[in-house]
Amino acid sequence: GNSVTQMEGPVTLSEEAFLTINCTYTATGYPSLFWYVQYPGEGLQLLLKATKADDKGSNKGFEATYRKETTSFHLEKGSVQVSDSAVYFCALTRSGGSYIPTFGRGTSLIVHP
Amino acid sequence: DTAVSQTPKYLVTQMGNDKSIKCEQNLGHDTMYWYKQDSKKFLKIMFSYNNKELIINETVPNRFSPKSPDKAHLNLHINSLELGDSAVYFCASSHGQGSEQYFGPGTRLTVT
Repeated sequence: GNSVTQMEGPVTLSEEAFLTINCTYTATGYPSLFWYVQYPGEGLQLLLKATKADDKGSNKGFEATYRKETTSFHLEKGSVQVSDSAVYFCALTRSGGSYIPTFGRGTSLIVHP
Repeated sequence: DTAVSQTPKYLVTQMGNDKSIKCEQNLGHDTMYWYKQDSKKFLKIMFSYNNKELIINETVPNRFSPKSPDKAHLNLHINSLELGDSAVYFCASSHGQGSEQYFGPGTRLTVT
């Protein structure tokens, strides 16, 4: 079946540091890949997405590139802010004939001033 | 204007009771979902409806029964609540299966 593996957190950074959150997946066919962000006490929000190999999704300074050869979709940001503190989820869907969404376990990011 | 709304936001109840959570979306989407998020933030899909038809039913106890009266609404009824049902329940919607999802604010269910 499909699966998504994220690095365990929490990831703790100082403001303006570089962020990488690793995400690898197992799926059949050509899934669509997503990063969602969940701020405390809120629902998940779409951060960015990529629907085919070599696509780069970007939003609010965050980027991730769909790498089919390494089955990865790592999230990066050049300079994090305190307001980026949240839980980040990598997800896939539309894999083969299945549309069941599969989420990673989430990575908590804590940014200190 | 809230895109995906859920009521109630908090629900505290005793074991054995029956409760419902309501979800509405005003995005014109045709697919809706219910998720359960545990205390460690693990998100598990429970159900999905497409055009009022159940398309995903992921090994959920039959005490949980979803109902979709129309494309904009997906409710979740839970019978005989158990301690292990305590979690945050999220509703979500999407335009078609497999597209990005829009999540509601969640309903925190506490069973005592």
